[in-house]
Amino acid sequence: DTGVSQNPRHKITKRGQNVTFRCDPISEHNRLYWYRQTLGQGPEFLTYFQNEAQLEKSRLLSDRFSAERPKGSFSTLEIQRTEQGDSAMYLCASSPFGPPNSFGTGELFFGEGSRLTVL
Amino acid sequence: AQSVTQLGSHVSVSEGALVLLRCNYSSSVPPYLFWYVQYPNQGLQLLLKYTSAATLVKGINGFEAEFKKSETSFHLTKPSAHMSDAAEYFCAVSEHTGTASKLTFGTGTRLQVTL
Repeated sequence: DTGVSQNPRHKITKRGQNVTFRCDPISEHNRLYWYRQTLGQGPEFLTYFQNEAQLEKSRLLSDRFSAERPKGSFSTLEIQRTEQGDSAMYLCASSPFGPPNSFGTGELFFGEGSRLTVL
Repeated sequence: AQSVTQLGSHVSVSEGALVLLRCNYSSSVPPYLFWYVQYPNQGLQLLLKYTSAATLVKGINGFEAEFKKSETSFHLTKPSAHMSDAAEYFCAVSEHTGTASKLTFGTGTRLQVTL
């Protein structure tokens, strides 16, 4: 078990550029989550997948953000036309609970995060 | 919506002293509660969780927390602090609706351990 893997770990980009982050969850985990963490704050929920289906999106996820999990395994988070306010740590987490629409205990397994700096 | 409040963004203790990190929650239904720890440049690691079984929960690294419904609290304690405990600690509550199961985190408490 290699844990949740995120790439790249660090990304520096200029305002207006597009960036993409990848998350590889723990194998056999069918739920995958994206969170954003800014300095001095706790992680904030962005979106969540059950297998390949995106079941919930936060209002924080503007239309410049898109997340996919095409085969129910790895996921990508793309930010288009980045803004300085997008600078943050983007955390991915997975959990083994399912089936769809069931209540899990909420325990999540986090990756080390992808830090984005927008200049 | 459920929420978590962590009192004290920074806590400093001496090595060997008691650690007490405070967490209060707001929930209209019985909550599931968690404490996570984050070391510098690392992801979050689960310390312990309360899922409606025993109200006193023991976790890793000697930490424990007690669920007190009357006080809507879930404070984290450790009898004797170690230098390696220096990190950021997050309390979280699980929100559960028909389609979602996600965590809502507090703003975190940074624990400093001094000699």
